[in-house]
Amino acid sequence: AQKVTQAQTEISVVEKEDVTLDCVYETRDTTYYLFWYKQPPSGELVFLIRRNSFDEQNEISGRYSWNFQKSTSSFNFTITASQVVDSAVYFCALRRRALTFGSGTRLQVQP
Amino acid sequence: DTAVSQTPKYLVTQMGNDKSIKCEQNLGHDTMYWYKQDSKKFLKIMFSYNNKELIINETVPNRFSPKSPDKAHLNLHINSLELGDSAVYFCASSPPGLAGRKDSYNEQFFGPGTRLTVL
Repeated sequence: AQKVTQAQTEISVVEKEDVTLDCVYETRDTTYYLFWYKQPPSGELVFLIRRNSFDEQNEISGRYSWNFQKSTSSFNFTITASQVVDSAVYFCALRRRALTFGSGTRLQVQP
Repeated sequence: DTAVSQTPKYLVTQMGNDKSIKCEQNLGHDTMYWYKQDSKKFLKIMFSYNNKELIINETVPNRFSPKSPDKAHLNLHINSLELGDSAVYFCASSPPGLAGRKDSYNEQFFGPGTRLTVL
């Protein structure tokens, strides 16, 4: 069985602060993919990143960075210098036949 | 524009009614999905079709029936609507997998969602 845990239900930060969203997953598969999606207040789901289980290199994209550690089954997401537009619900997901989503972390960035 | 589209965006209906939600993708993808997002934001897979063939059917009441007339369309029909069916329903699609696999590890592209409210 697969499981994705996002223990942080809600995080509130002030603009320009750095924030890390945690994601821990469980799977018996040796090959798997991990994803992050953003759901802004408008409701759509926006793809952010895909990472396969064989690639543990950290990734940086602008203010976003991801830290994948197989040893701890974690795939954490950091936003540097947060902005109000980052306010959204962020979902971590594990892919087998379909996506298994975590429960999401609501990020509120205050001006 | 290339995208995954859903109609309608909002659907308000009475308990007991039958309704359909339509989904179309013009991305040339082989696989399409329906996900349900409840009021607590939990997202869960319902169905998946690959080239009109059902490949995932999670524990969903028989009142829900997906229909795929072609690989670009995956519609969701719901019979005898209940209050608990109120949710946002997302359609998604993904490109083909490697070596003819019906599933794929590629990212899924989501439609804008259909908010269903059952009164």
